[in-house]
Amino acid sequence: EAGVTQSPTHLIKTRGQQVTLRCSPISGHTSVYWYQQALGLGLQFLLWYDEGEERNRGNFPPRFSGRQFPNYSSELNVNALELEDSALYLCASSILAGGGSEQYFGPGTRLTVT
Amino acid sequence: KNEVEQSPQNLTAQEGEFITINCSYSVGISALHWLQQHPGGGIVSLFMLSSGKKKHGRLIATINIQEKHSSLHITASHPRDSAVYICAVNFGNEKLTFGTGTRLTIIP
Repeated sequence: EAGVTQSPTHLIKTRGQQVTLRCSPISGHTSVYWYQQALGLGLQFLLWYDEGEERNRGNFPPRFSGRQFPNYSSELNVNALELEDSALYLCASSILAGGGSEQYFGPGTRLTVT
Repeated sequence: KNEVEQSPQNLTAQEGEFITINCSYSVGISALHWLQQHPGGGIVSLFMLSSGKKKHGRLIATINIQEKHSSLHITASHPRDSAVYICAVNFGNEKLTFGTGTRLTIIP
């Protein structure tokens, strides 16, 4: 069974640009979660999508947004990139909705903003 | 406030030693997760607990709901166990709150 996949693996962008990160969940999983791990900081919850709807979001500005497609894959968009957006962005999926279900993580996308 | 605290922050041990990593949280939870993150960033979910104890190979996770505390134990530690171990808690608001992680180094 294929795991959670993310693309791209690495990305370098310039401040002010926009970026789109992609995530494909494990087959049969309907929930997708996005997390940010900035250098030297812990993991922080960004967004949760389930059945195509945004169910919850963390304490991030509106320039962080995303969507979930009918096939349950998801995109994370970040507009007007700032230097502090440099981080590892992790996607996870679960078969059941919410944090009470085991989450399976993808390998992450490392974003560098210069 | 929903908080998760892990200890120790860093742990260095000799191969073969018994390892314990602790996680405490502030209020009632619906589930607690233990995650392992290797250099390079990949994260593996080790356990999800809501009560009692779970075992997988040399790893054991326990949770005490009354004391709001969980421990991750590694028996017969090996250098390949070297990683960051992260406790994450669902406080019932359907998103995970993470501890700061414990960096474990096992010396051969």
